[in-house]
Amino acid sequence: NAGVMQNPRHLVRRRGQEARLRCSPMKGHSHVYWYRQLPEEGLKFMVYLQKENIIDESGMPKERFSAEFPKEGPSILRIQQVVRGDSAAYFCASSRPGQGMTEAFFGQGTRLTVV
Amino acid sequence: AQSVTQPDIHITVSEGASLELRCNYSYGATPYLFWYVQSPGQGLQLLLKYFSGDTLVQGIKGFEAEFKRSQSSFNLRKPSVHWSDAAEYFCAVAVPGSNDYKLSFGAGTTVTVRA
Repeated sequence: NAGVMQNPRHLVRRRGQEARLRCSPMKGHSHVYWYRQLPEEGLKFMVYLQKENIIDESGMPKERFSAEFPKEGPSILRIQQVVRGDSAAYFCASSRPGQGMTEAFFGQGTRLTVV
Repeated sequence: AQSVTQPDIHITVSEGASLELRCNYSYGATPYLFWYVQSPGQGLQLLLKYFSGDTLVQGIKGFEAEFKRSQSSFNLRKPSVHWSDAAEYFCAVAVPGSNDYKLSFGAGTTVTVRA
């Protein structure tokens, strides 16, 4: 859904660099969810955030990955010291409070390529 | 934990022919069920969803899906396919309740439409 804005759409990083992926939720949505789609696979849940709070990060890799959703501005998914295996499409979705994914909309994704 | 199987990796169908995509899930009770479509280079668009009630669900773009509890299935159908339906289709499930933001996706079915 065009209402959830992700940028950049495509990102190329060399191994060892940092990747910062941004997600601006739809107007009125204060909950953000990040999913990762590895090549030839379905999407996998990474993290669920509300404004200034991480609600569930059980799908996040233990190292190098972090996410935030500040009071002002977009949600950021940060990957430090990227490796080839981080190459994937990263999608965020947003919803109003209490709706979960039942009424969520996805952005168009950021396709990260690590070279 | 719930899981989703889409048995068909790739389906080719002629324009105007009918289409059925299979989805089986593993979960002890009735989950929330979703079908998404992903066009090349695009994000995910929700086609339809099932929570409860009538087991035949109508969605956008002429798609419908039928929930069959006895078979743990939620197959997607379209009576007459258009060339613009060429895309990848994902079935997803979520556990009703406080964790319904965690969708589990199948690996997807790629649909090719031939003239």
